[in-house]
Amino acid sequence: EAGVVQSPRYKIIEKKQPVAFWCNPISGHNTLYWYRQNLGQGPELLIRYENEEAVDDSQLPKDRFSAERLKGVDSTLKIQPAELGDSAVYLCASSLGRTGGNTDTQYFGPGTRLTVL
Amino acid sequence: DAKTTQPTSMDCAEGRAANLPCNHSTISGNEYVYWYRQIHSQGPQYIIHGLKNNETNEMASLIITEDRKSSTLILPHATLRDTAVYYCIVRDGNKAAGNKLTFGGGTRVLVKP
Repeated sequence: EAGVVQSPRYKIIEKKQPVAFWCNPISGHNTLYWYRQNLGQGPELLIRYENEEAVDDSQLPKDRFSAERLKGVDSTLKIQPAELGDSAVYLCASSLGRTGGNTDTQYFGPGTRLTVL
Repeated sequence: DAKTTQPTSMDCAEGRAANLPCNHSTISGNEYVYWYRQIHSQGPQYIIHGLKNNETNEMASLIITEDRKSSTLILPHATLRDTAVYYCIVRDGNKAAGNKLTFGGGTRVLVKP
């Protein structure tokens, strides 16, 4: 079974440019998460989707970050414009969601490493 | 979610058991203990989780103390490919909590030949 797919794996851009990351979750997983991981730290949740609804976006910097999951399957995270401090690894994860029970395990993709110059 | 405390780093010998400790003294009754690891340049990989009882799967064993204030992840026969950062996470099992994983700094494990 295919895992969480993310693209691109690496992205280098200049500051003030836009950038987008794409994620395809594990088939049948209703919940999708975007995390950001700064160098030397653990991942931090940015946004969580239940199907196409963003149910927790409290940690998403809304002035420059946006996300969508229009059909409740794959998702896109966008930054516009990018700043130097946005350099990080952006991770996508998915889980079954409501059918996952009390231990709804999250499975992560390989991440996209963003470098802003 | 309860906070966890892990050693910053540890070394272990290839072929030997690796015992990774985690303290979670403020854990509450409906919080689960999860372990993930992250190999360099990869996303976090789920290892195992438990509530009260000890758990074992093909990757590892999880030993949770009776008072649930600490746990140990055991890799029975460490290989060089087990070199990674290991995260111990306490997660609220209540669905209203939203399945949030709060990662700490983890333990950087180096398996040496």
